Amino acid sequence: KNEVEQSPQNLTAQEGEFITINCSYSVGISALHWLQQHPGGGIVSLFMLSSGKKKHGRLIATINIQEKHSSLHITASHPRDSAVYICAVPRFNFGNEKLTFGTGTRLTIIP
Amino acid sequence: DVKVTQSSRYLVKRTGEKVFLECVQDMDHENMFWYRQDPGLGLRLIYFSYDVKMKEKGDIPEGYSVSREKKERFSLILESASTNQTSMYLCASSSLRRGEYEQYFGPGTRLTVT
Repeated sequence: KNEVEQSPQNLTAQEGEFITINCSYSVGISALHWLQQHPGGGIVSLFMLSSGKKKHGRLIATINIQEKHSSLHITASHPRDSAVYICAVPRFNFGNEKLTFGTGTRLTIIP
Repeated sequence: DVKVTQSSRYLVKRTGEKVFLECVQDMDHENMFWYRQDPGLGLRLIYFSYDVKMKEKGDIPEGYSVSREKKERFSLILESASTNQTSMYLCASSSLRRGEYEQYFGPGTRLTVT
């Protein structure tokens, strides 16, 4: 069964700073998910990636399959980026419908 | 756009009450999930359903049951609510996209048991 670790648990930064959140997992996977949860609870999917890098606006996700590690970067951070960011991987190896979730990184961007 | 809705955003119940949490998805997804989310513990799977009337226990099924009579609806039942079931409950559904399952979440129900 895959185990997921995220760091840091909490991150506070000034508006405009470059943000990096890290995720490591224990078992080889076919894809990793980055999710965002705003205060109030709803979770949305940001990225699903299996190799290399994906970019969406100011968000960039990278993955190194050999090192079992992924990073989520936010450029020119803004207070509206304040949220909990969660990474998730298939529970067992490839193409599994069940996910194992990290405990999340709480990001606070101060104006 | 996929939509997953949950019957309540906030719920307050008394110890011993039977509690029903309902989830509806509108995208004809086979898979549906119930999670609870507690500080420091992340999302934990309570039950999973892969088809109508089919269910599978997750990591923490004790004290919970589920029902899936129609494809779009997945209900979580707390048979006799206890204070340690105070939590945020999240429902999700998933579909296969480019060889991987992507989950879509509802807004969550914050349940308080007093």
